[in-house]
Amino acid sequence: KAGVTQTPRYLIKTRGQQVTLSCSPISGHRSVSWYQQTPGQGLQFLFEYFSETQRNKGNFPGRFSGRQFSNSRSEMNVSTLELGDSALYLCASSPGQSNQPQHFGDGTRLSIL
Amino acid sequence: TQLLEQSPQFLSIQEGENLTVYCNSSSVFSSLQWYRQEPGEGPVLLVTVVTGGEVKKLKRLTFQFGDARKDSSLHITAAQPGDTGLYLCAGAGSGGSNYKLTFGKGTLLTVNP
Repeated sequence: KAGVTQTPRYLIKTRGQQVTLSCSPISGHRSVSWYQQTPGQGLQFLFEYFSETQRNKGNFPGRFSGRQFSNSRSEMNVSTLELGDSALYLCASSPGQSNQPQHFGDGTRLSIL
Repeated sequence: TQLLEQSPQFLSIQEGENLTVYCNSSSVFSSLQWYRQEPGEGPVLLVTVVTGGEVKKLKRLTFQFGDARKDSSLHITAAQPGDTGLYLCAGAGSGGSNYKLTFGKGTLLTVNP
């Protein structure tokens, strides 16, 4: 069974730009969650999508948005990038609720110059 | 806001030593999950504990969930270099907007040969 796939693995952007990250969940998993991981704050929950609807949301500004497609693939968009957005962005999938055990991808490392 | 505190933050030991890492909160969780993350990879689930007082063993790793379901510990016996990694605990909330995982900041374990 293929795992969670995230693309791209690495991205370098400059302040003010926008970026789109992609996540393909495990086949059959309908819940996709996004997390931001930084050395100072650890893993922080961004949002969760289920059946193309945002079901849960963390405490991040509106510059962070996402969507989910009918095949459960998900994208995350960050607009007007700031230096503090440099982080590892992790996608995770599960069959049902986002508080169930998660299967993580290997992340997208985003660096803002 | 549910918070999880992990201690110690860093731990460097010699092969063969025993160690315990802790995960504490003032909040009650419906379950608690432990993950291990290696450099360049996403977290991988080790175990889920659900019942207060529950103890689970995974080879040399022993996980315990506190009676009040607010805290947990991970004990490793005779640590090996392959145990090196970032150990994360995650509490599962329940009800409404709490259907999500709250992660601790992790314990970075280094086992030296």
